[in-house]
Amino acid sequence: AQKVTQAQTEISVVEKEDVTLDCVYETRDTTYYLFWYKQPPSGELVFLIRRNSFDEQNEISGRYSWNFQKSTSSFNFTITASQVVDSAVYFCALSRYEYALNFGKGTSLLVTP
Amino acid sequence: SAVISQKPSRDICQRGTSLTIQCQVDSQVTMMFWYRQQPGQSLTLIATANQGSEATYESGFVIDKFPISRPNLTFSTLTVSNMSPEDSSIYLCSVGDLGTGGPGGELFFGEGSRLTVL
Repeated sequence: AQKVTQAQTEISVVEKEDVTLDCVYETRDTTYYLFWYKQPPSGELVFLIRRNSFDEQNEISGRYSWNFQKSTSSFNFTITASQVVDSAVYFCALSRYEYALNFGKGTSLLVTP
Repeated sequence: SAVISQKPSRDICQRGTSLTIQCQVDSQVTMMFWYRQQPGQSLTLIATANQGSEATYESGFVIDKFPISRPNLTFSTLTVSNMSPEDSSIYLCSVGDLGTGGPGGELFFGEGSRLTVL
């Protein structure tokens, strides 16, 4: 069975602080895909990143970076120099087969000025 | 990227009635899925909409309650039948295409249909 755990329910930071959102997953599959999505207060889901199980390279995109470690089954997401616009719920997700996602419960991030 | 249109965007429904949600994509896509997001909760997969055949339902979801159609590669409907207040949720259509990077490629979500059942 697959499972995604986002232990942090809510995080509150002050603008310009760095923040890391944790994601731990469980799967018996050797091939799988991990995702991060952002859901701002407006409600739409915004795709942030996809990573396959064979690619453990960390990725940086602007202020966003992701740390994928198979040894600890973690796929953590760091926002550097957070901004108020980063306030949203962030979901980590794992694919059980092509494209069907198993979502974590989400971490609500609040960035205050 | 695929553009997904969902209708209705929101609705208020009476207990015992049924509502059909439409999902239209601006290009042909391989995979289409329906998710439910209950208030303050995460997303849960309801089913995979299969083109030309019966949908594949996840545990806890049944065809009688959530009939799904997918007549072609750009369109799908989800019906929420015999609604109760517990069905009040956001229902989201999601699509994926092997053309956008292969297996595990980017998945796109519609803006969701927010249903309130009184």
